[in-house]
Amino acid sequence: AQTVTQSQPEMSVQEAETVTLSCTYDTSENNYYLFWYKQPPSRQMILVIRQEAYKQQNATENRFSVNFQKAAKSFSLKISDSQLGDTAMYFCAHPNFGNEKLTFGTGTRLTIIP
Amino acid sequence: NAGVTQTPKFRILKIGQSMTLQCTQDMNHNYMYWYRQDPGMGLKLIYYSVGAGITDKGEVPNGYNVSRSTTEDFPLRLELAAPSQTSVYFCASARDVRYYEQYFGPGTRLTVT
Repeated sequence: AQTVTQSQPEMSVQEAETVTLSCTYDTSENNYYLFWYKQPPSRQMILVIRQEAYKQQNATENRFSVNFQKAAKSFSLKISDSQLGDTAMYFCAHPNFGNEKLTFGTGTRLTIIP
Repeated sequence: NAGVTQTPKFRILKIGQSMTLQCTQDMNHNYMYWYRQDPGMGLKLIYYSVGAGITDKGEVPNGYNVSRSTTEDFPLRLELAAPSQTSVYFCASARDVRYYEQYFGPGTRLTVT
């Protein structure tokens, strides 16, 4: 079974600090995307960033960047200059091949402290 | 471009009642999904569809039914509602699963009392 593991159930940081959320996954496939989603208190699921496993360059979207270690099957999310609006639940996700669906991690609840 | 829309936003059901949660997407996506999210928890897949006329069970299908007669619509039917079905329900769609993200609707908060 393909699994996605987020080992940090909760994290909190001061505003303007940098925080890294970890995610590991398990697959034998070679080419795929990985995804980080954000779920703020409004409950809307929002795509934060995605990484193509074929590319070695880490994806970046403004203050959000990925540290992708393919051999280690690690896909962590770094948030720089954190803002109060970053307070949310964060889920990483990986395609579940053969079943046509995404496998989500259990989530990390991130709180930004003013 | 509305993306994924869900109706209703909120609903309170009595035990034993039935209802249909509506989901529509306007992106011509073949893949559609229904998830439930209990308070403080992650997403659990209920049912999914890879195209019109094709549906399959996810992790927690008991007590639910789906149909997919068109590409755009993927309704979720709750029969004989139970308190255990109190949850937030999300519909999502995707172009495919390997290379494209899922787009989520705003959710339906359902309470069964």
